[in-house]
Amino acid sequence: ELKVEQNPLFLSMQEGKNYTIYCNYSTTSDRLYWYRQDPGKSLESLFVLLSNGAVKQEGRLMASLDTKARLSTLHITAAVHDLSATYFCAVDYTGNQFYFGTGTSLTVIP
Amino acid sequence: KAGVTQTPRYLIKTRGQQVTLSCSPISGHRSVSWYQQTPGQGLQFLFEYFSETQRNKGNFPGRFSGRQFSNSRSEMNVSTLELGDSALYLCASRGYGAKDTQYFGPGTRLTVL
Repeated sequence: ELKVEQNPLFLSMQEGKNYTIYCNYSTTSDRLYWYRQDPGKSLESLFVLLSNGAVKQEGRLMASLDTKARLSTLHITAAVHDLSATYFCAVDYTGNQFYFGTGTSLTVIP
Repeated sequence: KAGVTQTPRYLIKTRGQQVTLSCSPISGHRSVSWYQQTPGQGLQFLFEYFSETQRNKGNFPGRFSGRQFSNSRSEMNVSTLELGDSALYLCASRGYGAKDTQYFGPGTRLTVL
């Protein structure tokens, strides 16, 4: 079964700082997705990465995919409080089933 | 266009009862997936339906079942509820492309007493 691991599980960072969340998965796939979840809310799609070397950026977030290393990263630049949320990566291995990572709970401290 | 809707949003049941949750996908989407989210187990895949056919099923007991109607609306049913079934149940629909992302509904919060 496909395993998806994220680290760190918890991340507390100061406003203005940079940090990276890592997503490792156990089986080759070229379909990787990032989501954001605010407390008590549903999941919101952030990025869709569909090929090796894919890079997507939106505001202070940038996601990349290395299919050979089975690794995706979500880089946060100059964090602001509004980015506080839980971030999930998900891998679509079979074409009709998403495997989700454990999630990274991000808290941005003023 | 309208997003994924789920009803009811909150539900309280007692052990042994059964429950049915409903999901209406984004218009035109034919793939609907269900997930269970708990603090301890995270997001776990329940099943996926496409054009009224279950294409994939997660590792859940047979008490969990689902179906999809011709208009792509989906229901999931949990029979003989257990305390451990308390969770947020999320429905997601997927668009036309096989590589499209999933769009999630607001979820149904089920509490089993």
